[in-house]
Amino acid sequence: NAGVTQTPKFRILKIGQSMTLQCAQDMNHNYMYWYRQDPGMGLKLIYYSVGAGITDKGEVPNGYNVSRSTTEDFPLRLELAAPSQTSVYFCASSLDRGEARYGYTFGSGTRLTVV
Amino acid sequence: AQSVTQLDSHVSVSEGTPVLLRCNYSSSYSPSLFWYVQHPNKGLQLLLKYTSAATLVKGINGFEAEFKKSETSFHLTKPSAHMSDAAEYFCVVSVGDYKLSFGAGTTVTVRA
Repeated sequence: NAGVTQTPKFRILKIGQSMTLQCAQDMNHNYMYWYRQDPGMGLKLIYYSVGAGITDKGEVPNGYNVSRSTTEDFPLRLELAAPSQTSVYFCASSLDRGEARYGYTFGSGTRLTVV
Repeated sequence: AQSVTQLDSHVSVSEGTPVLLRCNYSSSYSPSLFWYVQHPNKGLQLLLKYTSAATLVKGINGFEAEFKKSETSFHLTKPSAHMSDAAEYFCVVSVGDYKLSFGAGTTVTVRA
């Protein structure tokens, strides 16, 4: 049981480049989330999804896009990378609305640097 | 709106001494509260959770936290610190039904 898998673990992008951060879970969780972590700021919610085909914005969605075509996968897309998007990105999941009150399962993170 | 404030950005303790990480919460109703730990270059691991059952919550690795409604606090403690406890700790509150709001984090350093 792999849990939540994020790829890549590290990436350096040039300003203006695009990339997709991958996230996959094998627990049949309906709810999935993308957070970014900046030093001294805790984690901020970028986007979330409550099921396949359903996504919604979190606190800091600007500059990002997501899709949820399957229950397992929730990729995060950066179209025009900017230095302000240098951060550590975490994907997380929970089974349903009720279980989310008991905590998430997190991936190990993607460290992104935009230069 | 639900939120948490971690009162210390950095805590330094000697190995074998108690650890106290302070967290205050703001919530318009009875919240669900969590403590997560993040070791260097690792993901977040759930230490413990409070969901309106017992006010003293025991977690993994000897940690516990006490929910005090009168003080709107959810402080994390451990009686005896170990070198492996060096990490960043996040106090977290449930926002609505399925979203979480994170504190800024407390970095714990353990001195030999």
